[in-house]
Amino acid sequence: DVKVTQSSRYLVKRTGEKVFLECVQDMDHENMFWYRQDPGLGLRLIYFSYDVKMKEKGDIPEGYSVSREKKERFSLILESASTNQTSMYLCASSKAQSSYNEQFFGPGTRLTVL
Amino acid sequence: SQQGEEDPQALSIQEGENATMNCSYKTSINNLQWYRQNSGRGLVHLILIRSNEREKHSGRLRVTLDTSKKSSSLLITASRAADTASYFCKTSGSRLTFGEGTQLTVNP
Repeated sequence: DVKVTQSSRYLVKRTGEKVFLECVQDMDHENMFWYRQDPGLGLRLIYFSYDVKMKEKGDIPEGYSVSREKKERFSLILESASTNQTSMYLCASSKAQSSYNEQFFGPGTRLTVL
Repeated sequence: SQQGEEDPQALSIQEGENATMNCSYKTSINNLQWYRQNSGRGLVHLILIRSNEREKHSGRLRVTLDTSKKSSSLLITASRAADTASYFCKTSGSRLTFGEGTQLTVNP
């Protein structure tokens, strides 16, 4: 059974903290994605990666960075968390040629920044 | 933007009824996909329809695509309470973005 896992379901951090959100997939997928989901705004793409050590900015990369040192793992980093980064964060992966392939999603991490 | 936009934003029906959701987009596409999201969870892929297809079925799901109108519809027949979820369409392209979704509530 294919699987995308995220390190935490719920996370509470304080303003200014450095936050790491981890995502691991076991499907040998080339592509991995980080989204945030907010009421009234839908899902917005933060960053994506087509290969190890490759990264591309999505629509809202400001305040975030990513790391992909291994194919199966894609990390989202909040260098200095702010309250406006309180959100649901969703990780996804897909095979190469992602236009033709479905994305598999993790269960999400609900992050609260106080 | 190739972002899909779902319509209506919210839909409430009784169990056994059919539910129809629509998606409109702005540019040409290679394919269009529908996803479901149960409350507080990740998205699950439901069905993909390619640009050269007009209709596709999967169980109780029926998807249509009209590339001339740049629109797609998702029909769920004989709905069940377990179908209660948000439904999103996603269009292909270099930017993989979703709309805000349609919140479907199926009342027992």
